[in-house]
Parts: sequence; C-alpha cells; structure tokens
Amino acid sequence: QQQVKQSPQSLIVQKGGISIINCAYENTAFDYFPWYQQFPGKGPALLIAIRPDVSEKKEGRFTISFNKSAKQFSLHIMDSQPGDSATYFCAAQWGGAQKLVFGQGTRLTINP
Amino acid sequence: NAGVTQTPKFQVLKTGQSMTLQCAQDMNHNSMYWYRQDPGMGLRLIYYSASEGTTDKGEVPNGYNVSRLNKREFSLRLESAAPSQTSVYFCASSERVGRTYNEQFFGPGTRLTVL
Repeated sequence: QQQVKQSPQSLIVQKGGISIINCAYENTAFDYFPWYQQFPGKGPALLIAIRPDVSEKKEGRFTISFNKSAKQFSLHIMDSQPGDSATYFCAAQWGGAQKLVFGQGTRLTINP
Repeated sequence: NAGVTQTPKFQVLKTGQSMTLQCAQDMNHNSMYWYRQDPGMGLRLIYYSASEGTTDKGEVPNGYNVSRLNKREFSLRLESAAPSQTSVYFCASSERVGRTYNEQFFGPGTRLTVL
C-alpha cells in the first residue's frame, strides 16, 4: 500500500527552467513532510522539509508548497541547474512513529 | 566522522544462500533503519530499531531478520536468498528528541543480486 504517491516518475527540464515534482497523501495523521535528494551511487540525503502549519518553505532555489486541504505537497526547483540532476523522493511521517513513508521517486534530468 | 557505513558494497548470491549486511553509525543515534530501493517503488522500510535492544517490522519484512548488536550496529540477514530480494539496500540512522523530527542519515548502499 503506497501511502504517498509521487509524480512524475521522470522529468526533463532545460537549464534555467523550473522543475516541479508533486506528491499526494491519504493519511491525515502525517505531520512532517521531507524531501530527499539522491545522486547516482549514493544514499539519499535530506534536502528540505515542511510541517503542515505553514503553506510554503523556501531554502535557496528549493521551495516546498503545501496544500493541507488537498493533501498535496510539491517541490519546486527554480533556475534548475545540471547539478540538480538526481532522483528526488518525497516522504511523510506522523508524530507517533519514527518511520518515514517514501514516495516512488522522480528522476530529474536538467539539460544544459 | 564516517557517518553511516555499510558493507559490502556489492554482493552476488545464488538462490538459497544466506548472508548478512552490516551497518554501523558513529553519530550516537538511537534509531536505525533498513530500506530496500527498487525501480518505481521508492524506498521501502524493511525493519527498524527505535533504540538499542528493540526492533520492529516495517513495510516489507518477509524473508529478512535483523539484529541491533549495540547502539552503533544494525545488521540485516537474508536466511535463504530469493531473486525477488535483488535490490539496493540502504541503512539509515536518526536521532529524535521529544516530538522533534530529525533527519535520517543514509549509508552508501549495498547492491545485491540474487541469481
């Protein structure tokens, strides 16, 4: 059972463009939503995270937008660069657990 | 600090063979996790250990066993490997204080092929 659904599976964006990856969840108990970035041959690493009490969080070129009523959240990468080419995973966690539930992942390619 | 280390990096097994994947962390974290990563499936939790001496099943525990040897080490054992266990395995650790949500730190992974 996939509790967090992520789309698209793959995405190609031109350098300088905006990359957008979307996630949707069902469990309203989730209250922490991180994004992880994974480069080929490496383990995932935390990129940015948000709590549902805010609708947006920005760190540099990376922004999470959160829509609590729609149970959706998305990652926006502004001015996308070739170095951003990686696989991105959204995830969700609820306060009573120490487990993360991950989305299926999005392979992002930024063309120079 | 080495962070989270995993051994081996690569392994090829024949169906029915057994093996243990090793994981160690030097960040003094209480919680440790084992995931498998398959194309199109994301990261799925196999087992986790919230603290030394405790282990719990995750989403896909069948065919695996774990041991939390001490605070630093968390091993994953395949007793009788099957081709369906061909995957990339990641170990992770995290520290949580109260209701603070702390990031999980991942190791570099073990790529396992079962023939």
